[in-house]
Amino acid sequence: NAGVTQTPKFRVLKTGQSMTLLCAQDMNHEYMYWYRQDPGMGLRLIHYSVGEGTTAKGEVPDGYNVSRLKKQNFLLGLESAAPSQTSVYFCASRLLAEGSYNEQFFGPGTRLTVL
Amino acid sequence: GNSVTQMEGPVTLSEEAFLTINCTYTATGYPSLFWYVQYPGEGLQLLLKATKADDKGSNKGFEATYRKETTSFHLEKGSVQVSDSAVYFCAPLAGTASKLTFGTGTRLQVTL
Repeated sequence: NAGVTQTPKFRVLKTGQSMTLLCAQDMNHEYMYWYRQDPGMGLRLIHYSVGEGTTAKGEVPDGYNVSRLKKQNFLLGLESAAPSQTSVYFCASRLLAEGSYNEQFFGPGTRLTVL
Repeated sequence: GNSVTQMEGPVTLSEEAFLTINCTYTATGYPSLFWYVQYPGEGLQLLLKATKADDKGSNKGFEATYRKETTSFHLEKGSVQVSDSAVYFCAPLAGTASKLTFGTGTRLQVTL
């Protein structure tokens, strides 16, 4: 049981390049989330998904797109990378269950630098 | 929307010292409350949680009590260890899709 995995772990892009970050979970979780972590700002939600084929905007969605074609995968895309998108990106997933107390499980993160 | 205020770090303590990290929040209704911990180079892990007023969450010697009247969820540990050095995040969970709102995080550094 690998939990939540993220690919790649590190990446350096030039301004204007595109890339896709992959998040995969093997826990059969319905909910999945993408966050970015920047110094002094905690984690901010970019996009999230409540099930296969559905996505929604979070707090800071501009410049990103997402897709959830399979329940176990949640992709984050940058169409034209900008230096402001230099950050550490975390994916998380959560089980849909009664009550609001079930934890989110986090991946190890992807460190992205845009030059 | 929800918001969280955590004490600024870094917090530097000697081993076996008492730890308090303050957290206050604003939220609609009565959210579940979480503390997550991030060790260097890793993702976030759940440390403890509380789902209703006066609940006490505890794990690995850490405790936090859900105080509805003061909208607080302060993290405490009686005797910290060097291995507790990490960044700690307070996060209420509420609303559709059970979204978490994170504080800025408090870095704890424990020295011998």
